[in-house]
Amino acid sequence: DAKTTQPNSMESNEEEPVHLPCNHSTISGTDYIHWYRQLPSQGPEYVIHGLTSNVNNRMASLAIAEDRKSSTLILHRATLRDAAVYYCILMNYGGSQGNLIFGKGTKLSVKP
Amino acid sequence: GAGVSQSPRYKVAKRGQDVALRCDPISGHVSLFWYQQALGQGPEFLTYFQNEAQLDKSGLPSDRFFAERPEGSVSTLKIQRTQQEDSAVYLCASSLALGREWYNEQFFGPGTRLTVL
Repeated sequence: DAKTTQPNSMESNEEEPVHLPCNHSTISGTDYIHWYRQLPSQGPEYVIHGLTSNVNNRMASLAIAEDRKSSTLILHRATLRDAAVYYCILMNYGGSQGNLIFGKGTKLSVKP
Repeated sequence: GAGVSQSPRYKVAKRGQDVALRCDPISGHVSLFWYQQALGQGPEFLTYFQNEAQLDKSGLPSDRFFAERPEGSVSTLKIQRTQQEDSAVYLCASSLALGREWYNEQFFGPGTRLTVL
């Protein structure tokens, strides 16, 4: 699976939008982009995933660049509960058994 | 419904002791994964089960680590003769399955924090 690059940390104010970037310049055509997050003292939880088109769900939106070499996770209104480490992970379903390859992720701090 | 549970939540072991960590996945989930998370790092893959079959154990750091899932549900990760470098959070995750064209999210347990003195 290809590698991803994320900033080590980001800060946001409560109730403002947050844009978390992820670079994946070596992504292959069949790699899906996944985002998980890990709240303090908890296991990771799934946030969203996509292939080419932008995706929305109740938690977040995923914006994928046209060349797919980067993507952005968007939290529309950050809350204190969104303070977590966010992981951007690539996976090729056909060549994978499903285990996730985590990097260090981006630690998001939310200020009241 | 119940999520993935792990026990114990915390375990302190003296160096050289054997430990057993338990994972109860979500009922009906075919795939089960174990990960190890060192302080300040992302989780790292240890091993993978599809039902009762252990299909990948390439991430187990040494032959002191052993995992089983005999009936395709509950899984146990055993560490023999624990060393200080084994201190970490051990996470278990389960999912329905992974298909060639679809993705079923992994549900993680809260982890077991192992401290080896």
